[in-house]
Amino acid sequence: GQQVMQIPQYQHVQEGEDFTTYCNSSTTLSNIQWYKQRPGGHPVFLIQLVKSGEVKKQKRLTFQFGEAKKNSSLHITATQTTDVGTYFCAGMRKGGGNKLTFGTGTQLKVEL
Amino acid sequence: EAGVVQSPRYKIIEKKQPVAFWCNPISGHNTLYWYRQNLGQGPELLIRYENEEAVDDSQLPKDRFSAERLKGVDSTLKIQPAELGDSAVYLCASSLMPLGGNTIYFGEGSWLTVV
Repeated sequence: GQQVMQIPQYQHVQEGEDFTTYCNSSTTLSNIQWYKQRPGGHPVFLIQLVKSGEVKKQKRLTFQFGEAKKNSSLHITATQTTDVGTYFCAGMRKGGGNKLTFGTGTQLKVEL
Repeated sequence: EAGVVQSPRYKIIEKKQPVAFWCNPISGHNTLYWYRQNLGQGPELLIRYENEEAVDDSQLPKDRFSAERLKGVDSTLKIQPAELGDSAVYLCASSLMPLGGNTIYFGEGSWLTVV
């Protein structure tokens, strides 16, 4: 079945440092979504990417979809303590009938 | 607008006991999902409904898990009997249409501990 892996599993940064998480799918995707889950909370939708090579920005967050539509990345510039949480990518396999498969997640901790 | 509502928020039961979770999706959302999230892992889809029809239940352990969405609105997920390995957060989610361009909204989750 489809597998979606993320690296790194954990990341500790100092406030102000940049952060990047990478997402890789075993199959070609029709689209990819990113979610943020705060400790003890539920996943909250951040963004969806659909086009090959697409890049979208939300303030300090930059999302990229790979040319082959099998990988994606999330980059946070100048992290803040409010960025703490686990970031999940979730991919919809091309021809997979609208099934969304979540990645393994990257837990981000930001220290002052 | 109210979000996805789940109950109970927390449940502790002994193994072999039954448990049921209830979900009320966002008004007007015809697609409803039940996910299970184990500690430190991403959510895994158990079942997806479009209106009252279960269109994907391939990951639902049917020997002990059951779900229903009788009127195409709220839904119930049941486990009977529960096993120790069922301890997890059960997340309900909804979207306006089958995913393809619509945001999926999660509820707060039902935290299950089986002892």
